[in-house]
Amino acid sequence: GIQVEQSPPDLILQEGANSTLRCNFSDSVNNLQWFHQNPWGQLINLFYIPSGTKQNGRLSATTVATERYSLLYISSSQTTDSGVYFCAVKGNQFYFGTGTSLTVIP
Amino acid sequence: DSGVTQTPKHLITATGQRVTLRCSPRSGDLSVYWYQQSLDQGLQFLIQYYNGEERAKGNILERFSAQQFPDLHSELNLSSLELGDSALYFCASSGGLAGLSSYNEQFFGPGTRLTVL
Repeated sequence: GIQVEQSPPDLILQEGANSTLRCNFSDSVNNLQWFHQNPWGQLINLFYIPSGTKQNGRLSATTVATERYSLLYISSSQTTDSGVYFCAVKGNQFYFGTGTSLTVIP
Repeated sequence: DSGVTQTPKHLITATGQRVTLRCSPRSGDLSVYWYQQSLDQGLQFLIQYYNGEERAKGNILERFSAQQFPDLHSELNLSSLELGDSALYFCASSGGLAGLSSYNEQFFGPGTRLTVL
């Protein structure tokens, strides 16, 4: 199967700081999504981004499919951004990374 | 709210028992996916159905089975439960309108938390 690695595994930020989360994958994919799992366990769609760049408010994402990585940028972080961020890719099935656990402190 | 519903929200049962988890996809979505999230294994893909037919299989145990009904809702059956089956089980759906760039975008339900005692 496709290996999906996310870094860093853990991140602690002061409110207002910016961060970049990375997702590397081991094979060609035709689907990549970023999710936020909030402290209540809910998985929230952030981006569907098999290639290119998208922005949504303080969040943006870039996928370079030919180089097999994707980046999620969080700017001016808020405490509500805390949780775990997952990327998921699709080969013959969907594969999730192990996530980046983000804690934003006031 | 993603539009995907799952019942029940919580389930507590004993080892050796059998349970059924239910999922209703977003209106118009034809694909349903089941995932297991446990502390030590992360999010694992179990199985996908598309319009009633099995489409892809992941790390699903033989004690587990699923089906998708003509109204497109899906059920995941877990039998001979073991302590290690305790996990959060998610259902996701996709595939509402063919030809759209977001056709393969998955939307997740709130999950069913299963505790096996």
